[in-house]
Amino acid sequence: EVRLVESGGGLVQPGGSLRLSCAASGFTFSSYWMSWVRQAPGKGLEWVASIKQDGNEKSYVDSMKGRFTISRDNAKNSLYLQMNSLRAEDTAVYYCASSRGYYENWGQGTLVTVPS
Amino acid sequence: EIVLTQSPGTLSLSPGERATLSCRASQSVSSSYLAWYQQKPGQAPRLLIYGASSRATGIPDRFSGSESGTDFTLTISRLEPEDFAVYYCQQYGGSPRTFGQGTKVEVK
Repeated sequence: EVRLVESGGGLVQPGGSLRLSCAASGFTFSSYWMSWVRQAPGKGLEWVASIKQDGNEKSYVDSMKGRFTISRDNAKNSLYLQMNSLRAEDTAVYYCASSRGYYENWGQGTLVTVPS
Repeated sequence: EIVLTQSPGTLSLSPGERATLSCRASQSVSSSYLAWYQQKPGQAPRLLIYGASSRATGIPDRFSGSESGTDFTLTISRLEPEDFAVYYCQQYGGSPRTFGQGTKVEVK
């Protein structure tokens, strides 16, 4: 069974940092692009960042470039998102997902709250 | 950036009825790279359709997808009680990947 389990969310003050993790199991993690997708409360879905199988290619939505860094550790079957300079508008549930362009498997999400 | 516009915003139907959801792209989506997701309250999205018309693993055949130019359609042939949810389209033919704003299918 494919499992993606996010952790690391919480309450952080504006300007602060947070590191999200996603533990993968049940599939060959190193064979997949992986992505982060977020959803602000009551809003739609927004792609955040993606990383290639070997970690050598990364892409970000423009509004998060320079503040967020995606990374992975294939030996640990884990995906990460380092988030710096957080703003109130970054408040959202952050999902990790395996990617083939579309998002095939999703975690349950972790909530990040940045008060205004 | 490819903008996806979903309509209607809300669809009020009864179980057993047919649901037709629309997703219009602002420009051509290369290679039919369009997916559909279902999301229920408090849950993660679930992939239904990819490649505009291919059902994901385990998705019932009452769900189908089609395309005509820049217009994409998700059809649920007969609504089951568990199908009342929010549905999103997403394109992966261009960068950045973008989602539509969602269509809520609610019980009439």
